[in-house]
Amino acid sequence: DSGVTQTPKHLITATGQRVTLRCSPRSGDLSVYWYQQSLDQGLQFLIQYYNGEERAKGNILERFSAQQFPDLHSELNLSSLELGDSALYFCASGVRQGANTGELFFGEGSRLTVL
Amino acid sequence: GENVEQHPSTLSVQEGDSAVIKCTYSDSASNYFPWYKQELGKGPQLIIDIRSNVGEKKDQRIAVTLNKTAKHFSLHITETQPEDSAVYFCAATKGERGSARQLTFGSGTQLTVLP
Repeated sequence: DSGVTQTPKHLITATGQRVTLRCSPRSGDLSVYWYQQSLDQGLQFLIQYYNGEERAKGNILERFSAQQFPDLHSELNLSSLELGDSALYFCASGVRQGANTGELFFGEGSRLTVL
Repeated sequence: GENVEQHPSTLSVQEGDSAVIKCTYSDSASNYFPWYKQELGKGPQLIIDIRSNVGEKKDQRIAVTLNKTAKHFSLHITETQPEDSAVYFCAATKGERGSARQLTFGSGTQLTVLP
């Protein structure tokens, strides 16, 4: 158990809809990262937050947005969904004050299916 | 930005044999190179990492080597066991130890250990 919790584990929705994925980081971790893993694809970095502020952006579509709340949990919002958005979305956390090794701890992912 | 290439995409070995996975990176400023193992239905988990001031690191049956001049690094698994079967990802990043930095992942290698 990595200590990172993602909900929901599975989500099926239709094209054009909007969904929200939630992530609770490992206790004490300040940074949250979102990654997308499509079929037969590697892990594509979407966005990173550190202590509530956006730190880095990767290949995140304009239809997608995210935020990190004061309690450090994060949400990834996906809107105007398309078939190609079907993927496994991972949240990872890291960067613990005073004891950071650089390791990222991944949740088990949220599998999104767009029909 | 950083680009990481990983080979091979699939690898089958007999139990007890060795497995080698290779990665190259593009950004000469990258200084941290972790390897993650992803088992079916789970999130990636760190198995070993190496920093740019070290050429080789071992942890029981797993070792990683780094050639900064050639910008490539490799994962070596000796005496493979069926439980080593998984997808392995290499990654690279730069930044000070302890900083909040994103990882750029390779495309992954599906390792199958045949009994």
